[in-house]
Amino acid sequence: SQTIHQWPATLVQPVGSPLSLECTVEGTSNPNLYWYRQAAGRGLQLLFYSVGIGQISSEVPQNLSASRPQDRQFILSSKKLLLSDSGFYLCAWSGQGRNTEAFFGQGTRLTVV
Amino acid sequence: KQEVTQIPAALSVPEGENLVLNCSFTDSAIYNLQWFRQDPGKGLTSLLLIQSSQREQTSGRLNASLDKSSGRSTLYIAASQPGDSATYLCAVPNSGSARQLTFGSGTQLTVLP
Repeated sequence: SQTIHQWPATLVQPVGSPLSLECTVEGTSNPNLYWYRQAAGRGLQLLFYSVGIGQISSEVPQNLSASRPQDRQFILSSKKLLLSDSGFYLCAWSGQGRNTEAFFGQGTRLTVV
Repeated sequence: KQEVTQIPAALSVPEGENLVLNCSFTDSAIYNLQWFRQDPGKGLTSLLLIQSSQREQTSGRLNASLDKSSGRSTLYIAASQPGDSATYLCAVPNSGSARQLTFGSGTQLTVLP
């Protein structure tokens, strides 16, 4: 069966510090991968998605970047965090087919102080 | 651009009651619609995926319906239990190859014992 791992679960970082959140998927190959952010009182916002290794698309211009160094690994990064980067970050995957279900990780609560 | 709306934003019911959560979308050209559950501070758990060719999908006490022509879906929860308390989100994928999801803002359900 397929599983998705996301870590860390919580993170408190000072303004200006770097960020690296990692997500890995097991039990499938060539998944579509996604990073979403959920701010307090707001819905889920798609940040990045990837349909293959090294292929990254950004939905929202921001202080963050994403990379996909391996087929089932997706990394969210920042060189210098802003207060506004605080939020709940969720990684997700889906298959390549048209009617494929999406599955989410447990999320990372990021607080920038 | 696809927009997804969920009404009501919050709902409180006594245990044992049957209830309906609503989801509407503006672009009826969808492949499927997915319902998720989110517990506080946690990731999203997929509940049901209903294909565009289907009108209903059932899992246990949950039943999702889809009416593409009117741009609506409902999630019916039978014999609600306190453990059903959570935020329920609906989402539809876009038509591109990456199948990014557009989410509603969710319905926060509280089932009172």
